[in-house]
Amino acid sequence: DGGITQSPKYLFRKEGQNVTLSCEQNLNHDAMYWYRQDPGQGLRLIYYSQIVNDFQKGDIAEGYSVSREKKESFPLTVTSAQKNPTAFYLCASRALGNSPLHFGNGTRLTVT
Amino acid sequence: AQSVTQLDSHVSVSEGTPVLLRCNYSSSYSPSLFWYVQHPNKGLQLLLKYTSAATLVKGINGFEAEFKKSETSFHLTKPSAHMSDAAEYFCVVSDPSGGGADGLTFGKGTHLIIQP
Repeated sequence: DGGITQSPKYLFRKEGQNVTLSCEQNLNHDAMYWYRQDPGQGLRLIYYSQIVNDFQKGDIAEGYSVSREKKESFPLTVTSAQKNPTAFYLCASRALGNSPLHFGNGTRLTVT
Repeated sequence: AQSVTQLDSHVSVSEGTPVLLRCNYSSSYSPSLFWYVQHPNKGLQLLLKYTSAATLVKGINGFEAEFKKSETSFHLTKPSAHMSDAAEYFCVVSDPSGGGADGLTFGKGTHLIIQP
């Protein structure tokens, strides 16, 4: 059953700690994306990658980092430099061209 | 530059009545357009997509949308609302030449409320 798996579903951290969110896809998609969603808000792009070992900053990349060492994996690290990290994080992937995005079920991060 | 405008931030309808969620776009190319639904604490699920084939697109759960190039619109409709349709809906444009990250631009979302 193909899809995108985000883990964990809920994550709690203390302020000042880095935390890594996992995103794995078995759809053989080339492109992968990370979005942030705040309550009542739309989606804001953090980072995206169209090919292994390459990625581009989105609109709100400050305080975040990513890697793309394998086609199926695109982990996101929320660093201590991110001033307001509490949010719902969504990972997505798609084939190249105008194909639609496929989303994971999200990770809700709470930092106190 | 590419843009997507969802004309209503909130829409409230009674169960069993029609649903209309409005989306206007601007794009310099021939875009693909998508509607997604998001239930609370879930990811986005693709409802339907337009990719330059038939202008009337049927999706899942009884939803459909009509691409009108002259009006630059892609409104989402359903003949009869169900309580389970209560969710957030996003209109998305994909246009490789239109700007945005990888040619993708999201609308800000429409919150659909279903009254019993």
